Amino acid sequence: GDSVTQMEGPVTLSEEAFLTINCTYTATGYPSLFWYVQYPGEGLQLLLKATKADDKGSNKGFEATYRKETTSFHLEKGSVQVSDSAVYFCALSVDSGYSTLTFGKGTMLLVSP
Amino acid sequence: NAGVTQTPKFQVLKTGQSMTLQCAQDMNHEYMSWYRQDPGMGLRLIHYSVGAGITDQGEVPNGYNVSRSTTEDFPLRLLSAAPSQTSVYFCASNPQGLGTEAFFGQGTRLTVV
Repeated sequence: GDSVTQMEGPVTLSEEAFLTINCTYTATGYPSLFWYVQYPGEGLQLLLKATKADDKGSNKGFEATYRKETTSFHLEKGSVQVSDSAVYFCALSVDSGYSTLTFGKGTMLLVSP
Repeated sequence: NAGVTQTPKFQVLKTGQSMTLQCAQDMNHEYMSWYRQDPGMGLRLIHYSVGAGITDQGEVPNGYNVSRSTTEDFPLRLLSAAPSQTSVYFCASNPQGLGTEAFFGQGTRLTVV
């Protein structure tokens, strides 16, 4: 079945450091890929998405490129802030209509001043 | 703009008790889902609905019931609470299909003792 694998956390960084959170997937067909962010005490919210190979999703300084050849969708940010501390989830869906979202286990990011 | 509203935010139940977690959305989305979030497990789908009167089971449906009598509301019922149902529960809605961008509520933290 479809699955998403994320690097285990927590990822601990100092402010202004470069961030990479790895995400790889297994899917039948051609999935859409998503990154969601969960701030403490809140629900998940969409951070960015990509719907086809080589697409780059970006938002709030975060970027991820849909790499079909390596089945990856790594999340990157050039300079993290304390306010980026959260749990990040990679997710996929194969069919946007009736196929549900499949989530990875989440990666906690902790940014210190 | 309220989005997806879940009540209650916190609940403690005794083993064997029943209760209903409420979820309401004001965005006129046809698609709604319930997830549970457990440490190290990510989000797992409990039940989902593709419109009023239509529901189906997700990955972990045992011990839970749902109904969808209106577009706005999608309550989740615990029939006889067990300690294994201690979790954080999230309701989500999608505007264009289950595999598209999901809007999440803030969650209900349930403890079964």
